[in-house]
Amino acid sequence: EPEVTQTPSHQVTQMGQEVILRCVPISNHLYFYWYRQILGQKVEFLVSFYNNEISEKSEIFDDQFSVERPDGSNFTLKIRSTKLEDSAMYFCASSDALYRRSSGNTIYFGEGSWLTVV
Amino acid sequence: GIQVEQSPPDLILQEGANSTLRCNFSDSVNNLQWFHQNPWGQLINLFYIPSGTKQNGRLSATTVATERYSLLYISSSQTTDSGVYFCAVERVWGNKLVFGAGTILRVKS
Repeated sequence: EPEVTQTPSHQVTQMGQEVILRCVPISNHLYFYWYRQILGQKVEFLVSFYNNEISEKSEIFDDQFSVERPDGSNFTLKIRSTKLEDSAMYFCASSDALYRRSSGNTIYFGEGSWLTVV
Repeated sequence: GIQVEQSPPDLILQEGANSTLRCNFSDSVNNLQWFHQNPWGQLINLFYIPSGTKQNGRLSATTVATERYSLLYISSSQTTDSGVYFCAVERVWGNKLVFGAGTILRVKS
């Protein structure tokens, strides 16, 4: 089965520091996502990205968050100034359907990056 | 936005027992996925099933889109089935999966 890969698997950072989480989506995929899961809670949508721009973002995705596709293979999530409440598992995901907004298709998730802010 | 409700919230089974997990959703969907989150936090994709029935080994799933629910069946449960099971849906013309709160399954030996 194709894989979405994420790095790092775990990062500990000081409050106020910038963090970049990296993802390599499946190679022919066109839609990219970030989700987060605070320990013991459900998985929450952060942002979706298509055609080099944000398609949709949640209320959680405020000005301290940004996403970028710096080259043809990587997709990154940057948190500018981390807070204690940013501690969570962050999942990257991708999907390949060109017309997926009407037809739908499987969204594949990476193994996640644990972020601990101290 | 679309609402996703999963039941039961917790389930304890004896090894070998069967179980049914339910997911109700509030709008028409073009994507419904079931995931198993293992003890390491990884989300394992079990089924992509916006409608119909699929089977994979001891697991099977059925989605009745017209009635806005999906069921995940686990037969002959094993201790390795323990974890959290999430249902996630995407409404038609939507742009994201919305997750339910999950069902915590514990299988005892």
